[in-house]
Amino acid sequence: GDSVTQTEGLVTLTEGLPVMLNCTYQTIYSNPFLFWYVHYLNESPRLLLKSSTDNKRTEHQGFHATLHKSSSSFHLQKSSAQLSDSALYYCALSDTGYQNFYFGKGTSLTVIP
Amino acid sequence: GGIITQTPKFLIGQEGQKLTLKCQQNFNHDTMYWYRQDSGKGLRLIYYSITENDLQKGDLSEGYDASREKKSSFSLTVTSAQKNEMAVFLCASSIDLGGWEQYFGPGTRLTVL
Repeated sequence: GDSVTQTEGLVTLTEGLPVMLNCTYQTIYSNPFLFWYVHYLNESPRLLLKSSTDNKRTEHQGFHATLHKSSSSFHLQKSSAQLSDSALYYCALSDTGYQNFYFGKGTSLTVIP
Repeated sequence: GGIITQTPKFLIGQEGQKLTLKCQQNFNHDTMYWYRQDSGKGLRLIYYSITENDLQKGDLSEGYDASREKKSSFSLTVTSAQKNEMAVFLCASSIDLGGWEQYFGPGTRLTVL
């Protein structure tokens, strides 16, 4: 069945270093939607990025990701981590015709000075 | 804009008890979701509903019932609370299934004594 695999567990980075959170997926559908949601402490999860276009870079709030259907990947990147980027990040998969929605297990990112 | 409210914010129950969580949205969205968030397991879909009076099971539906009597509200019932269970239940809504952004509520934190 469909699934999402992302960098699991805890990632700790020093401020200013690049961020790379991996996300790969499996689906039988040819037109998946991939999402990154961010969940800050004491807030509700919210959408960070989404894409359904192969090989097109999507950017928002300094983060970017590119959907690569050839490798079934949608990695989240940022050139320079900030303290305020500390949060839980979820990669998610859906399809227009698919009657379900899958989140990965989440990656907890902590940025330290 | 709109908002999703969840009640109660904290829910403490006893083993075997039936517990109900409520969710309201004023986005006028057709689709609503219930997720369970556990540390290290990410967000897991319990139930979703694509319109009033519709119910669809997610991967984690066993042990839960749901109800969508109005477009704006979606309730989740834990049919028999499990001892020492702790989790956060998140409600979300979206315009439709597939590639649409999901908007999340603040969550209900469940503790079973």
